[in-house]
Amino acid sequence: DVKVTQSSRYLVKRTGEKVFLECVQDMDHENMFWYRQDPGLGLRLIYFSYDVKMKEKGDIPEGYSVSREKKERFSLILESASTNQTSMYLCASSFSGSDETQYFGPGTRLLVL
Amino acid sequence: SQQGEEDPQALSIQEGENATMNCSYKTSINNLQWYRQNSGRGLVHLILIRSNEREKHSGRLRVTLDTSKKSSSLLITASRAADTASYFCATGPSNDYKLSFGAGTTVTVRA
Repeated sequence: DVKVTQSSRYLVKRTGEKVFLECVQDMDHENMFWYRQDPGLGLRLIYFSYDVKMKEKGDIPEGYSVSREKKERFSLILESASTNQTSMYLCASSFSGSDETQYFGPGTRLLVL
Repeated sequence: SQQGEEDPQALSIQEGENATMNCSYKTSINNLQWYRQNSGRGLVHLILIRSNEREKHSGRLRVTLDTSKKSSSLLITASRAADTASYFCATGPSNDYKLSFGAGTTVTVRA
């Protein structure tokens, strides 16, 4: 079974703090993704990575950065957390073929006070 | 950017009834996928239909795709309480492997 794990299920941080969200997959997938999910807006892509040390901006990259030093691990960084970054964050991974499905982690619910 | 749009936003049905939800999209696609999300959890892949396919079945799920109308439908037959979840369509563009997700349809199955 494919397993995608995220470092925390719930996280509470203060405005201005640096926040690290970690994601690890065990299927040797080339692609990894970070989404945020807000009510009524569905999933919006923040960043994705198609290989180690490679990254591309998604639809809403502002205020976020990412790091992929190893194939199995993809980190999302909030350099200075703000209240409008309170959200559910979902990590996913997939192989790099054109008909590949994405496998999701359980999500991290982040509250920024 | 959000490409898929699901309709309706919410659906409430009795156990044993069928549930149908629709997805419309804007640009050409390579495939269309449906995912399920139970409350507060990650998404789980249900079914993928390629652009050259018109219908696909998987257990109690039936998906149709009409590329001329840029729309898809997901039918869940003989619904169960465990089908209570949000359902999302996701489109895979022709020139990319990223997926664009809609806002989802929330399905409630009443016992």
